[in-house]
Amino acid sequence: DAGITQSPRHKVTETGTPVTLRCHQTENHRYMYWYRQDPGHGLRLIHYSYGVKDTDKGEVSDGYSVSRSKTEDFLLTLESATSSQTSVYFCAISGPGDTGELFFGEGSRLTVL
Amino acid sequence: AQSVTQPDIHITVSEGASLELRCNYSYGATPYLFWYVQSPGQGLQLLLKYFSGDTLVQGIKGFEAEFKRSQSSFNLRKPSVHWSDAAEYFCAVGAPYSGAGSYQLTFGKGTKLSVIP
Repeated sequence: DAGITQSPRHKVTETGTPVTLRCHQTENHRYMYWYRQDPGHGLRLIHYSYGVKDTDKGEVSDGYSVSRSKTEDFLLTLESATSSQTSVYFCAISGPGDTGELFFGEGSRLTVL
Repeated sequence: AQSVTQPDIHITVSEGASLELRCNYSYGATPYLFWYVQSPGQGLQLLLKYFSGDTLVQGIKGFEAEFKRSQSSFNLRKPSVHWSDAAEYFCAVGAPYSGAGSYQLTFGKGTKLSVIP
């Protein structure tokens, strides 16, 4: 299994509070991704990173920011959480050969009250 | 932009029966295609992938999928389903993503498989 660790795995917070989710990899892969998973929507890309300090937006990036100061860590921040951001968040890294094959973390379940 | 359609939201089969999960994609060139499986409370695990070559690809857990360019399909099959196959299955298409030099995956909305003992 790919070495991907997400933290926290579960979090309950209130509307308007900041939240940071962390993804840590031990594979030294260049590309890292944050997806959200919601019933009826499958997985949707929030942001991705193609190197240290190199990030770009995905299809549902509004309300989210990311940072990558080290190869192994990719942080997802909700500056002011809203109930619509209640979701399960998955971090992923690209497999070898850069063909788009992804390896996923176990997910972080976020509930915004 | 690429897209993926999984027409079946939920499928129920009896244990030992055959299975086919449908996936249709939209992409202008030859895509990279993937099937992932997600057990409850878990992340996604790669079942199989198609990049090029033989259009019938074998994956883990006895699954296979066939790429049909003329139908823009990549259907997943298993000849005999086991109770442990109950999970949600996601088809995905990978295509080059501008600006980063990487391939990006677009996922279908998933098909939930229930297995009757």
